[in-house]
Amino acid sequence: GAVVSQHPSRVICKSGTSVKIECRSLDFQATTMFWYRQFPKQSLMLMATSNEGSKATYEQGVEKDKFLINHASLTLSTLTVTSAHPEDSSFYICSAREKKAEPRGRQYFGPGTRLTVL
Amino acid sequence: AQSVTQPDIHITVSEGASLELRCNYSYGATPYLFWYVQSPGQGLQLLLKYFSGDTLVQGIKGFEAEFKRSQSSFNLRKPSVHWSDAAEYFCAAYTSGTYKYIFGTGTRLKVLA
Repeated sequence: GAVVSQHPSRVICKSGTSVKIECRSLDFQATTMFWYRQFPKQSLMLMATSNEGSKATYEQGVEKDKFLINHASLTLSTLTVTSAHPEDSSFYICSAREKKAEPRGRQYFGPGTRLTVL
Repeated sequence: AQSVTQPDIHITVSEGASLELRCNYSYGATPYLFWYVQSPGQGLQLLLKYFSGDTLVQGIKGFEAEFKRSQSSFNLRKPSVHWSDAAEYFCAAYTSGTYKYIFGTGTRLKVLA
């Protein structure tokens, strides 16, 4: 089946630094990628939707200047957490949607990235 | 507003017992419905999905789900639970054209030996 990878799987950084998380679709083209955030023992909350070659669409309440999303190609999207603070510590999961007519254009989820900000 | 509700936060069953996890949705039209499973610290694995047609959907690992339009429900079932089924289960939905998932709050399943 289709695979989505995320890198890194875990990252620990100091407060004030920026962290980049990559999401790659390994064997399919993804017209759309989604970024989710999951707090401990809670559900996934959609942060933003990114389409290849265009600006990301952010959900209400998500700071676009803090969470920079770039979807440079049909197989790669990146999420950069700028000037990270401890409250940004979370599990970040991406998903990628196949370039096929829906509903056959399934979404595949990455394994997630655990961000810890000290 | 669109929403997905999982009424049970925690469920504990004995190994070999049957299981039913509840899911209700609130949408203007019938959305596409999914069940995912997440092991600790891991991503999501799709168990099954419903788009249209037969309202009883078979999935992987022996799971099935039944779509009931009259009850706006999409409950997940398994006739005999295995210890390896212990995990977090998420019901999710999205509507045609948006592809944006709305997830339920999740149900944590504990399996007793």
